[in-house]
Amino acid sequence: AQTIHQWPVAEIKAVGSPLSLGCTIKGKSSPNLYWYWQATGGTLQQLFYSITVGQVESVVQLNLSASRPKDDQFILSTEKLLLSHSGFYLCAWSLGDWGGDAEQFFGPGTRLTVL
Amino acid sequence: SQLAEENSWALSVHEGESVTVNCSYKTSITALQWYRQKSGKGPAQLILIRSNEREKRNGRLRATLDTSSQSSSLSITATRCEDTAVYFCASSNSGTYQRFGTGTKLQVVP
Repeated sequence: AQTIHQWPVAEIKAVGSPLSLGCTIKGKSSPNLYWYWQATGGTLQQLFYSITVGQVESVVQLNLSASRPKDDQFILSTEKLLLSHSGFYLCAWSLGDWGGDAEQFFGPGTRLTVL
Repeated sequence: SQLAEENSWALSVHEGESVTVNCSYKTSITALQWYRQKSGKGPAQLILIRSNEREKRNGRLRATLDTSSQSSSLSITATRCEDTAVYFCASSNSGTYQRFGTGTKLQVVP
């Protein structure tokens, strides 16, 4: 069975500090991967997507970057956190048709608080 | 109801009742998905309905799509307390990114 794991579960970071969030998909070969951001009580905003190792496309610029170093791994990072980065970060995967035309399966998320 | 870019609503029903959540979108789409998100969790995909489909079912859930009015609905029959969640619709066009609605908070009370 496929599983999606995100780490860490939660982070409290200072403004200006670096950040790295991770996502791993097990049990699926060559999934399409996505990063989403959700403000507390808000909707989801897609940030990045990747259909293959080493290739990442940006949807929204929020002073964040993403990388896909392995087929089953997706990393979200920034060198300097802003207060506006606080929220819930979600990783998702799909197979076949990519983007919104495919069923996407979300991970448990990482709660980020920037102080 | 929820629009792709506008305000959410809250609904409250008693267990066993049926409820419908509405969604409208502003651009042409190739697919629309419904998600359920429980507090503190990631969204769970419920139904994907493509632009050439008018209705799709998944157990107690039924989604409709009307491309002429650019709207969709999600109906839940025989609601249970565990259906309490925020329900999102998300539209897409030819595999570009998904645009999520602002969500409808549903509370099912005993």
